[in-house]
Amino acid sequence: EAQVTQNPRYLITVTGKKLTVTCSQNMNHEYMSWYRQDPGLGLRQIYYSMNVEVTDKGDVPEGYKVSRKEKRNFPLILESPSPNQTSLYFCASSYTTGRAVGGEQFFGPGTRLTVL
Amino acid sequence: GENVEQHPSTLSVQEGDSAVIKCTYSDSASNYFPWYKQELGKRPQLIIDIRSNVGEKKDQRIAVTLNKTAKHFSLHITETQPEDSAVYFCAASWTAGNKLTFGGGTRVLVKP
Repeated sequence: EAQVTQNPRYLITVTGKKLTVTCSQNMNHEYMSWYRQDPGLGLRQIYYSMNVEVTDKGDVPEGYKVSRKEKRNFPLILESPSPNQTSLYFCASSYTTGRAVGGEQFFGPGTRLTVL
Repeated sequence: GENVEQHPSTLSVQEGDSAVIKCTYSDSASNYFPWYKQELGKRPQLIIDIRSNVGEKKDQRIAVTLNKTAKHFSLHITETQPEDSAVYFCAASWTAGNKLTFGGGTRVLVKP
């Protein structure tokens, strides 16, 4: 089954404790992206990657890191989480055409993060 | 960068009536406009999209219209049903770029 998976689905942590949210897709998509969803603000892009070893900042990258060592995986790293990073996080993937996103983005199930 | 505004933020309609959600965008270079539906507790899923070379696209009870001159696009849902109740997001991007900018979302409630 074609899908995007994320782990963990729920996480409660404390300020400053490093954490990683994993994202994996089995559709051989070049493009992967992370979003955070907050009430009234829609989905805001954190980082994206056009291919292995190619990553770039989205609209809200502060406090986050990513890596793309393999095509299927795109982990999101919070090195020192703070309460304002409490949010619902979605990973997404898509095919590309040339240098651009091809079309539909397939979303993972989401990770609800609470930072105390 | 691109800015997408979406209205209304909430919309309540009677079953069988139509629902219309409007979005405006700021970057005239944007040429790809998808709409995503997110049911409660679920992930967003694409329901329809339109590219700038067409003015309207339909898929059964949903349609999207695009006015590039005015930089706005709209989602139309006809004959609404309870299963249409969800949050709907519009988005905009340009196909030479890699960023998708979303609107703030519209919570649609279809009352039986």
